[in-house]
Amino acid sequence: AQSVTQLDSQVPVFEEAPVELRCNYSSSVSVYLFWYVQYPNQGLQLLLKYLSGSTLVKGINGFEAEFNKSQTSFHLRKPSVHISDTAEYFCAVIRLEDTGRRALTFGSGTRLQVQP
Amino acid sequence: SAVISQKPSRDICQRGTSLTIQCQVDSQVTMMFWYRQQPGQSLTLIATANQGSEATYESGFVIDKFPISRPNLTFSTLTVSNMSPEDSSIYLCSVGGGLDRELFFGEGSRLTVL
Repeated sequence: AQSVTQLDSQVPVFEEAPVELRCNYSSSVSVYLFWYVQYPNQGLQLLLKYLSGSTLVKGINGFEAEFNKSQTSFHLRKPSVHISDTAEYFCAVIRLEDTGRRALTFGSGTRLQVQP
Repeated sequence: SAVISQKPSRDICQRGTSLTIQCQVDSQVTMMFWYRQQPGQSLTLIATANQGSEATYESGFVIDKFPISRPNLTFSTLTVSNMSPEDSSIYLCSVGGGLDRELFFGEGSRLTVL
């Protein structure tokens, strides 16, 4: 079975500071990896995804993530956050062999709280 | 991309009643999923809604409690039956978006059971 671990339930950070949200996955087979963001009272929006190729993936709103196969990690980073980045962030994975179902397994989420 | 509309966006229900949530997509899609997000928690897959056949349920979810319909490639419903306060959650419809594997989500239906 696959699982996704987000080590930090909450990350407080000051505006314009850098941030890293951690995500580790466990799977014995190759996976696709995603980061989604959920703003208050809204649905989920895709930030970025890793399918193959370059391990550094750039997404929307200035976010990027790096796939590290040896460490089974897919940490999300942003060099300078804004108040508007305050939201819940979910890491998700799908195994290549499960793509017929295309259902994602989600981590527990990290609440990013940007303070002025 | 796909635009997904869910109804109702929120509702308050009495214990023991049932509520049906609708999901309408602006294009034909093969895969549709229903997720539950309990307060302060992550998303848990309830089932895959299959067009023309019975839904495929995940462990811990059963058809009697969460009956699902999928009459065509653009529409699905999820019913939460015989509700209890533990069913208070956000229920999200999701569709698979082609070869890049991205999933698109509706804005969710926030259900409160008293």
